Amino acid sequence: DTAVSQTPKYLVTQMGNDKSIKCEQNLGHDTMYWYKQDSKKFLKIMFSYNNKELIINETVPNRFSPKSPDKAHLNLHINSLELGDSAVYFCASSPGGRSPLNYNEQFFGPGTRLTVL
Amino acid sequence: DAKTTQPNSMESNEEEPVHLPCNHSTISGTDYIHWYRQLPSQGPEYVIHGLTSNVNNRMASLAIAEDRKSSTLILHRATLRDAAVYYCILRSGDGGSQGNLIFGKGTKLSVKP
Repeated sequence: DTAVSQTPKYLVTQMGNDKSIKCEQNLGHDTMYWYKQDSKKFLKIMFSYNNKELIINETVPNRFSPKSPDKAHLNLHINSLELGDSAVYFCASSPGGRSPLNYNEQFFGPGTRLTVL
Repeated sequence: DAKTTQPNSMESNEEEPVHLPCNHSTISGTDYIHWYRQLPSQGPEYVIHGLTSNVNNRMASLAIAEDRKSSTLILHRATLRDAAVYYCILRSGDGGSQGNLIFGKGTKLSVKP
């Protein structure tokens, strides 16, 4: 059973295109996240989202937008793709919103490798 | 954000114990110490976490210094599958965005057969 799944696994596209990456979790978690891992392997939080609150990392361009059709899904939509968007994108989920954070383990998906040409 | 310092890389022999250090001298009283690891071509996975007391689980042990300014992740018997990048992360217990995981560079652990 896959806890956190992402599609597609690989995505190759041209500059200027709009693309989406889908994420689904079957863990019944309330909070989902998107992370970006660049070519230097730095892993950075982009968004965290639950039913009530979207928290955006201020460094994320507004071309990136998370969309959540329901609690089990958090898709990432990217407009006007740029070369610098090439990276591996990871979705994650965790049980609770704000508390108790002491055992709020995050479960990560397998990643989507995005290549912008 | 509270920061951690880890060695860039470490080597171990298979079936020997591994001690991965982490310094976090600016830790606050509400920060939990979390460890995640990322195997090649996979997403990060949770390893262990603690606040003040040492912790053990099926994957590893976490030894936390009395002043909480450092901690050590202990793999009791390294296997080839343990080769990964290990991240030591401070996570605030105050809630909201302060509870997000802030990944550093981590320690790349190599395990030799």
